[in-house]
Amino acid sequence: DAKTTQPNSMESNEEEPVHLPCNHSTISGTDYIHWYRQLPSQGPEYVIHGLTSNVNNRMASLAIAEDRKSSTLILHRATLRDAAVYYCILRYFGNEKLTFGTGTRLTIIP
Amino acid sequence: GAVVSQHPSRVICKSGTSVKIECRSLDFQATTMFWYRQFPKQSLMLMATSNEGSKATYEQGVEKDKFLINHASLTLSTLTVTSAHPEDSSFYICSARTQLAKYQETQYFGPGTRLLVL
Repeated sequence: DAKTTQPNSMESNEEEPVHLPCNHSTISGTDYIHWYRQLPSQGPEYVIHGLTSNVNNRMASLAIAEDRKSSTLILHRATLRDAAVYYCILRYFGNEKLTFGTGTRLTIIP
Repeated sequence: GAVVSQHPSRVICKSGTSVKIECRSLDFQATTMFWYRQFPKQSLMLMATSNEGSKATYEQGVEKDKFLINHASLTLSTLTVTSAHPEDSSFYICSARTQLAKYQETQYFGPGTRLLVL
């Protein structure tokens, strides 16, 4: 599986936008970019996924670089409930598995 | 979104006993379910992939005779930790795959089961 690189931790102020980066320089053409987050003592929660075009949903936006070697998860207005570990995962079409890395621990400052 | 439940949420058992954990997809049918294990301050590690009506596929290093997986229906998979020992204490998480559209698939995760073996 192609690998992703994320910062270990980030901090952001409450009610401000948060940009969580992910590098995936070895991504292949059939790899989908998935983002999940895990709140303390809970199972992961699906956030968003995309292939080539930028994606928006009620939780977040996913901005994918033109060369697809990096992507950014955007939380438009962080709240304290967004404090979690965010995982950027590549999954190629046809592969059912998700391989979790270490993710980015996001701390929200009140 | 799709909902996956797990039962129990936490369990404490004595060393040598067996523990069964249930994973249910509440509002969708899941042909494939996954079982993960997460130790403190570590990431999730996939243990096995479970397909309805067939034998589970285990990841390398996971003992299939110790971690018995049954996926008897499209909404239920169970993980049984047999002869549990303290080193099996962990956070066990299941997920279920749903096909949102023909070429897009997403996994939804259960809330996890915390197992403590004394």
